[in-house]
Amino acid sequence: KAGVTQTPRYLIKTRGQQVTLSCSPISGHRSVSWYQQTPGQGLQFLFEYFSETQRNKGNFPGRFSGRQFSNSRSEMNVSTLELGDSALYLCASSLVTIAGGTDTQYFGPGTRLTVL
Amino acid sequence: QKEVEQDPGPLSVPEGAIVSLNCTYSNSAFQYFMWYRQYSRKGPELLMYTYSSGNKEDGRFTAQVDKSSKYISLFIRDSQPSDSATYLCAMTGITNTGFQKLVFGTGTRLLVSP
Repeated sequence: KAGVTQTPRYLIKTRGQQVTLSCSPISGHRSVSWYQQTPGQGLQFLFEYFSETQRNKGNFPGRFSGRQFSNSRSEMNVSTLELGDSALYLCASSLVTIAGGTDTQYFGPGTRLTVL
Repeated sequence: QKEVEQDPGPLSVPEGAIVSLNCTYSNSAFQYFMWYRQYSRKGPELLMYTYSSGNKEDGRFTAQVDKSSKYISLFIRDSQPSDSATYLCAMTGITNTGFQKLVFGTGTRLLVSP
């Protein structure tokens, strides 16, 4: 069974630009969560989607948005990039929503975003 | 103050040593506690999962939760060089909207030398 895939793996952007990251969950998984990982702050929860609906959201500004498609694939968008947005962006999929229980989350390898 | 505190390390030990990794937390609503391992250039993978207080053992790994002290630990026996990775604790609780959120520690980098 294929794991969680994320594209692209590496991305370099400049301040003010916008970026879209993509995540394909494990087949059959309906929940996709996004996280930002930085050396100083660690792993921080961005949002979770389940069946195309945002079920939970972390404390990030509105520049960070996401969506989920009917095939459970998810995209995350960051507009007006800032230097502080440089991070590893991870997505994780699970069978059910994390809001509904404690189903195991499987992480992808991440997208390394560098903002210059 | 962060909800979950974890010493970033690095923690360097010789092969065969017993390793103790720890996290403290402040939110008493946390009920489920997890440990993830993350190798360089990879996403985290779930190692251990514990509900409420108590111990759980899986091979060389033992997870311990003390809810009264708001303290969780992961012990690794007979540590191997392949255990060298960053270990993240994570926990879930109930938000004021009723949904659970997953909160991670910043991770402890472990180096096991041959």
